[in-house]
Parts: sequence; C-alpha cells; structure tokens
Amino acid sequence: KAGVTQTPRYLIKTRGQQVTLSCSPISGHRSVSWYQQTPGQGLQFLFEYFSETQRNKGNFPGRFSGRQFSNSRSEMNVSTLELGDSALYLCASSPDRTPGTEAFFGQGTRLTVV
Amino acid sequence: GQQVMQIPQYQHVQEGEDFTTYCNSSTTLSNIQWYKQRPGGHPVFLIQLVKSGEVKKQKRLTFQFGEAKKNSSLHITATQTTDVGTYFCADDGSGNTGKLIFGQGTTLQVKP
Repeated sequence: KAGVTQTPRYLIKTRGQQVTLSCSPISGHRSVSWYQQTPGQGLQFLFEYFSETQRNKGNFPGRFSGRQFSNSRSEMNVSTLELGDSALYLCASSPDRTPGTEAFFGQGTRLTVV
Repeated sequence: GQQVMQIPQYQHVQEGEDFTTYCNSSTTLSNIQWYKQRPGGHPVFLIQLVKSGEVKKQKRLTFQFGEAKKNSSLHITATQTTDVGTYFCADDGSGNTGKLIFGQGTTLQVKP
C-alpha cells in the first residue's frame, strides 16, 4: 500500500507570491490534516478535511487555506508569502477521525521563502 | 488554548544509557499518541495511550499515562544509535476532528 505522498518535496518562493502544496492520502483514507513544522514553533495544526469538508482549523491567518477533492486528495494554499512561512509542511492521513486514530504522515514539502 | 509541554528539549546519552522524555498538560489529556521523527524524516506513529495509568511496552520502549491523565512519559532502556531522532507526544483531544496538539519534542542524540 502506497504511503502518503506530498508534492513537491522542495519549493523556493519569493515574498508576496503564492504557493499550492499537494497531498495524496493512503488509499481509502478520508481524513487529511495539515501541519506546519518549524524549529521555533514545532508542529502546529493548520486544518483538517474529511469527505471534502473542513472540520477543524488551527490558529493561522486567512492566507492559509485548503481544500479536499472527492478522491480525498488535498491541497493547501498560502497566499502573499512571508519569510516566516518558511517551514516543513506535513500532511497526515487517517481512515477516519474517531478518537485515537493513528495519523500517517507524508515526507513533507520543504518551503523556503526568500 | 491547550498546550502540551515536553521536556527535556534535548538529551545526549552514551549508547547503552537509558532515556526518558516527559509530556505534561495543565488540562486533562484525552488520548496521548507518541511519534518519532528521524533526522530529515517525518513523524512516525509509535503508540497510543487511552486509559488512566496505562503502561505499554514495545521492546526497549515503555510508555506511561499518568493517573490523572495530565502527563505521559516515554522511557527507552539501553539506548542504541538507531534510537536517534525527535520524540513527540501529541494529544488527540479533539477526538473526531483530526487535530493533534503536539508537544515541542525531545531530540535524542546517542553517542556510540
């Protein structure tokens, strides 16, 4: 069974640009969550989608958005990039989100904003 | 909002020594999950604790959930170089909404 796939793996963008990251969950998984990982803030929850609906959102500005498609693939978008958005963006999938469900993480997309 | 604190931030041990990382919360934790992230890698699920006072073992790793469900710990006996990485605890407090609240992690270095 293929794992969680995130594309691209690495990205360099300029301040003010926008970026779209993609996540393909494990086949059959309907829940996709996104996390931002930085050395200073650690792993922070961005949002979670289940069956194309956003069920929860973290404390990030509106520049961060996402969506999920009918095949459970998810994208997240960051507009008007700032230097502080440089981070590893991780996507995690789960079959569903009943309490205690294990999250399977992808390799992440390393975003550098210059 | 809820915060999960994890200590220590870094730990350097000699191979063969034991290692413990602690996870604490000011509020009651729901389910605690533990993940390991190797350098350059992504978090990988290790285990989940649900019940108050629960203890689970995986070979040299022992996981505990406090009686009041406000703390948890991971203990590694006789560390090996393959144990190197960052260990995170995460509260699955929001149940069915997919939000994990992670501790800051403990980075373990093992000297051969």
